[in-house]
Amino acid sequence: EDQVTQSPEALRLQEGESSSLNCSYTVSGLRGLFWYRQDPGKGPEFLFTLYSAGEEKEKERLKATLTKKESFLHITAPKPEDSATYLCAVQASGNTGKLIFGQGTTLQVKP
Amino acid sequence: NAGVTQTPKFQVLKTGQSMTLQCAQDMNHEYMSWYRQDPGMGLRLIHYSVGAGITDQGEVPNGYNVSRSTTEDFPLRLLSAAPSQTSVYFCASSDGQGAISFFGQGTRLTVV
Repeated sequence: EDQVTQSPEALRLQEGESSSLNCSYTVSGLRGLFWYRQDPGKGPEFLFTLYSAGEEKEKERLKATLTKKESFLHITAPKPEDSATYLCAVQASGNTGKLIFGQGTTLQVKP
Repeated sequence: NAGVTQTPKFQVLKTGQSMTLQCAQDMNHEYMSWYRQDPGMGLRLIHYSVGAGITDQGEVPNGYNVSRSTTEDFPLRLLSAAPSQTSVYFCASSDGQGAISFFGQGTRLTVV
């Protein structure tokens, strides 16, 4: 069964304190792994797509990496505006675009 | 481009009532899908469509119907609302397999 698990469920950081969010997955053939950011009362907003092990993507203070079993979202020197819920999702081969989501990690960055 | 537009944003229903959640996209995407988001459960797929006239069930389809008569629209129908359908509903569209899914702003539904 295709499955995605994110950890931790919640993370509190001080401004400037770097950390990483984990997304472990089991899927029958990975077509893509997606990271989204979700603010309260809003829909998920796309951050990154990773397609193969060893791939890395970077945007401002965020960097996403991918192995055959997991993905990490590294946050370097976070700011309070990085506070949000971060969602990881996988798309399996032949699954016609369907996404399987993890439960999310809620990040709070204190000034 | 408006992207993916969902209406209404909020809705309260009584048990047994029916309603339709609307979803429209202006990106000419073939793939559209409906998810529900519940605390501690993540987003779960209800129904999806790979093109006009083609729909299929996702992980949690019971109590919901969909149809896709045009590329732009993908409405979700609740036939007889139940308290277990209290949730936040998101519609998404994408260009195909492996492509980015774009989400609407959500409909918060409460069934009393």
